[in-house]
Amino acid sequence: DGGITQSPKYLFRKEGQNVTLSCEQNLNHDAMYWYRQDPGQGLRLIYYSQIVNDFQKGDIAEGYSVSREKKESFPLTVTSAQKNPTAFYLCASSITWVNEQFFGPGTRLTVL
Amino acid sequence: GENVEQHPSTLSVQEGDSAVIKCTYSDSASNYFPWYKQELGKRPQLIIDIRSNVGEKKDQRIAVTLNKTAKHFSLHITETQPEDSAVYFCAASIRARGAGGTSYGKLTFGQGTILTVHP
Repeated sequence: DGGITQSPKYLFRKEGQNVTLSCEQNLNHDAMYWYRQDPGQGLRLIYYSQIVNDFQKGDIAEGYSVSREKKESFPLTVTSAQKNPTAFYLCASSITWVNEQFFGPGTRLTVL
Repeated sequence: GENVEQHPSTLSVQEGDSAVIKCTYSDSASNYFPWYKQELGKRPQLIIDIRSNVGEKKDQRIAVTLNKTAKHFSLHITETQPEDSAVYFCAASIRARGAGGTSYGKLTFGQGTILTVHP
């Protein structure tokens, strides 16, 4: 069954802790993306990667980090430097940057 | 960078009516314009897209028009049904250059439109 998956679905974090969100795809897509979704603000790009071992900052990269060691995986770490991390995080992938992006089911992160 | 403005933020129509959502973009180099539908609690899904070399595209009850000169594009839904109720996002994609001449691109999304279709 092909697709893009994210885990966990819900995540709770204490202030000052780093947390890593998982994103895996078996669609053989080169490009992968991380978005943050807040009410009334649409989807904002955090980081994106077009090829393995390379990635670019998006519009709101501060307080986040990523890695792209494998084509299938693009984990996102929310660090303690992110001042307002409570949000819904969506991962996406596409064949290339100018093709349809397929989204994962999302991870809802809540900072306690 | 690219800026995408989407209007209206909410839209309420009666079943069977048409709905129109409009977006403007700032960067004339943008060349790919997708529309996504997000139902409550679900992931966004592509419903239609258009590239800069085309002025209009239609898929059953859904159509998108693009005016490159004015830098705006619109989503048209005809004969709306209650199941069309969702949040709709427009986006614009711009190409960028990475290290070593690699091509990159990213989508900039509008703020979203909450469409409600009343039976």
